[in-house]
Amino acid sequence: EPEVTQTPSHQVTQMGQEVILRCVPISNHLYFYWYRQILGQKVEFLVSFYNNEISEKSEIFDDQFSVERPDGSNFTLKIRSTKLEDSAMYFCASSEVGRGFQPQHFGDGTRLSIL
Amino acid sequence: GQNIDQPTEMTATEGAIVQINCTYQTSGFNGLFWYQQHAGEAPTFLSYNVLDGLEEKGRFSSFLSRSKGYSYLLLKELQMKDSASYLCAVRDPDSGAGSYQLTFGKGTKLSVIP
Repeated sequence: EPEVTQTPSHQVTQMGQEVILRCVPISNHLYFYWYRQILGQKVEFLVSFYNNEISEKSEIFDDQFSVERPDGSNFTLKIRSTKLEDSAMYFCASSEVGRGFQPQHFGDGTRLSIL
Repeated sequence: GQNIDQPTEMTATEGAIVQINCTYQTSGFNGLFWYQQHAGEAPTFLSYNVLDGLEEKGRFSSFLSRSKGYSYLLLKELQMKDSASYLCAVRDPDSGAGSYQLTFGKGTKLSVIP
């Protein structure tokens, strides 16, 4: 069964450094998402992406965050200057279409640790 | 605003039936999803309801009442591997941008004991 893949599985970064999290969505999916989950807390929506542009973003997704689809397969999340509170599990998800039954399929996540 | 409530933890016995409730107050509604999440892993899709009633899928069933802002996930014939967190998520209505964000509850940690 096709799946969403994310790399790296674990990223350790010094505060203030830039980090790029990578995702390969399921190949025929058109909608892409980033969520994060701080340890022990709920999964939170960050941003959705369709047709090479951001569709929606949450209050968490401030100017330090950006997303990009640099080619036909990858979908990246960049945090420009990381803060301690950015430490979380970051999940990429994709869905075939935005509406109807189609669920969002999640990758295994990247655990980001900011020191 | 969005508010989704689930019990924090539940314990049930192997082979039994357990019902996990979810109530929501959201500014809009375009479907409710249940996901399973094992510790340290990704959420995996279990079920979807957009109309009132019961959806059955093997050992798992999910119920929705939109007028009450209420859903439940029913797990039958519990197995040890069902020990996980179960996440209730509401999908926001179409904002016109064509994508649908999910708003998650905090999840219910289910422990299945022998």
